[in-house]
Amino acid sequence: EVQLVESGGGLVQPGESLRLSCAASGFTFRDYWMSWVRQAPGKGLEWLADINGDGSQTFYVDSVKGRFFISRDNALHSLYMQMSSLRAEDTAVYYCTRENWVKDYWGRGTLVTVSS
Amino acid sequence: EIVLTQSPGTLSLSPGERATLSCRASQSVTSNYLAWYQQKSGQAPRLLIQGASSRAPGIPDRFSGSGSGTDFTLTISRLEPEDFAVYYCQHYGITPPHSFGQGTKLEIK
Repeated sequence: EVQLVESGGGLVQPGESLRLSCAASGFTFRDYWMSWVRQAPGKGLEWLADINGDGSQTFYVDSVKGRFFISRDNALHSLYMQMSSLRAEDTAVYYCTRENWVKDYWGRGTLVTVSS
Repeated sequence: EIVLTQSPGTLSLSPGERATLSCRASQSVTSNYLAWYQQKSGQAPRLLIQGASSRAPGIPDRFSGSGSGTDFTLTISRLEPEDFAVYYCQHYGITPPHSFGQGTKLEIK
């Protein structure tokens, strides 16, 4: 059974950094692109970033370019998102998804709150 | 960048009725790479449809997708109580960004 479990969310102050993790199981992790998607409170879904199977290719939405960094560790079956210079508008639930052309599996998400 | 516009914003229907949700793209979607997701309150989204019309594994056949080019439709033939949720379309493919539509909320009338 495919499982994706996010962790690392919490309350941070504006300007601070945070690292999210996603533990994957139930599939051959290195064979799949992975992505992060977020959802601000009461809002829709926003794709943030993709990474290919060996980590050599990444793509980002313009709003997080230069502040967020997606990475993976295939030995640990883990996906990461390093977030810096966090702003109030980054407050959201952050989902890890498996990419199989579509986002065929989603984690339950981890909440990041940016507030002073 | 393709912009997806969903309509209506909110759809109020009763169980047993037919629901028709629209997703319009600002430019033609390559190879009909259009997906639909369902998100119930407090839950993660779930993949319903890919390739504009192919149901994901385990999705009931009352859900169907259609369309091509710039106009796509998700139809739920007979609404069950568990179908009331928010639905998102998304285009996908080789080159990001893979943007989502803003969503349609399907609520009980």
